[in-house]
Amino acid sequence: KQEVTQIPAALSVPEGENLVLNCSFTDSAIYNLQWFRQDPGKGLTSLLLIQSSQREQTSGRLNASLDKSSGRSTLYIAASQPGDSATYLCAVRGNFGNEKLTFGTGTRLTIIP
Amino acid sequence: DAGVTQSPTHLIKTRGQHVTLRCSPISGHKSVSWYQQVLGQGPQFIFQYYEKEERGRGNFPDRFSARQFPNYSSELNVNALLLGDSALYLCASRQAYSNQPQHFGDGTRLSIL
Repeated sequence: KQEVTQIPAALSVPEGENLVLNCSFTDSAIYNLQWFRQDPGKGLTSLLLIQSSQREQTSGRLNASLDKSSGRSTLYIAASQPGDSATYLCAVRGNFGNEKLTFGTGTRLTIIP
Repeated sequence: DAGVTQSPTHLIKTRGQHVTLRCSPISGHKSVSWYQQVLGQGPQFIFQYYEKEERGRGNFPDRFSARQFPNYSSELNVNALLLGDSALYLCASRQAYSNQPQHFGDGTRLSIL
């Protein structure tokens, strides 16, 4: 059974700092990994998708890496801004023929102005 | 283009009642998935439908059911509501046979009294 862990559960950093969010998963037989952002009371916004054959993906100030063999992914946010404050979730899709995503419990990020 | 739309936004029910939640996927997306997100947790997979057929089912009781219509919209039905069914219910759609990510709606907030 796939399990996804995100540590820390909460993180506060001053504006302008670079930061890294961590995600680990127990079963390396994944199809892809996706990072999401969730604002309070809202749905999920897709940030980055990494296929199992890829090592990293970049979008603007965001960079996500994937090390499938060690079961780890990181989301790097450069030059953090107050608008980056949200909960960040990672999710893995297995190779089971359906599109089930297994989520971590998220990291709640607060950027201090 | 419109994103994934869900209705209603909020719903209050009492124990034992029945509820129907609705989802319209992004135009062109034939795959729809449903997730339950309890406060403070990551979303949990309930169902996936593709071309009106169930392709995946999570670990939820038979009180939960769903269907997909010819226009690819979907309904999630929950019978005999329990207090523990209080959650944010999220719908996601994806363009099948592609490497595109899943896109989520803003969810339906269900409160059971």
